Amino acid sequence: QKEVEQNSGPLSVPEGAIASLNCTYSDRGSQSFFWYRQYSGKSPELIMFIYSNGDKEDGRFTAQLNKASQYVSLLIRDSQPSDSATYLCAVNNSINAGGTSYGKLTFGQGTILTVHP
Amino acid sequence: EPEVTQTPSHQVTQMGQEVILRCVPISNHLYFYWYRQILGQKVEFLVSFYNNEISEKSEIFDDQFSVERPDGSNFTLKIRSTKLEDSAMYFCASRKTGLDTGELFFGEGSRLTVL
Repeated sequence: QKEVEQNSGPLSVPEGAIASLNCTYSDRGSQSFFWYRQYSGKSPELIMFIYSNGDKEDGRFTAQLNKASQYVSLLIRDSQPSDSATYLCAVNNSINAGGTSYGKLTFGQGTILTVHP
Repeated sequence: EPEVTQTPSHQVTQMGQEVILRCVPISNHLYFYWYRQILGQKVEFLVSFYNNEISEKSEIFDDQFSVERPDGSNFTLKIRSTKLEDSAMYFCASRKTGLDTGELFFGEGSRLTVL
């Protein structure tokens, strides 16, 4: 069973602080990793993807990947109350056929983030 | 901005009834998916569909489930005989490319309540 684990939280940070969200995965062959944001009752919305070891920055968001440790994280700098949501880590566990990935994602249970003013 | 649209947004049905959930993926996308999320639980993969056939399916996607792309635009999920445990939010998603990093675009979901 391919698992993706997240600390369900809730994680509470003050406005302007850095929020750090963590995720581990069990399938060492996983190639690509995604962070989604999900507001209550809404669909997942992609924030970032990463597939190389190291850091990837996009605005206030930084994703970090360590394949040796099977660990992915998301840092949110200058957190805003509008960042309050559930953050889902997802891993591409798709089978590949002829070089094509069918894009099946395995999701973690999500971390609830609350940014308080 | 192109989006994935789903209908109905909410359906209530009696146990044992058939349900069809409909999705219109983004027009130039080639890969289509159904995921579901039981309230308070993980988003779970059900099935992926490419080139007019199922490419992958999960253990959840048993014989009571089927998918179809009847007319080149709609993508449907049929649940033949609903059970109480089928109550969930069902998300349709589509993707343009076969790259590992290709972004999945999710629809807003169809909430299914089985009584």
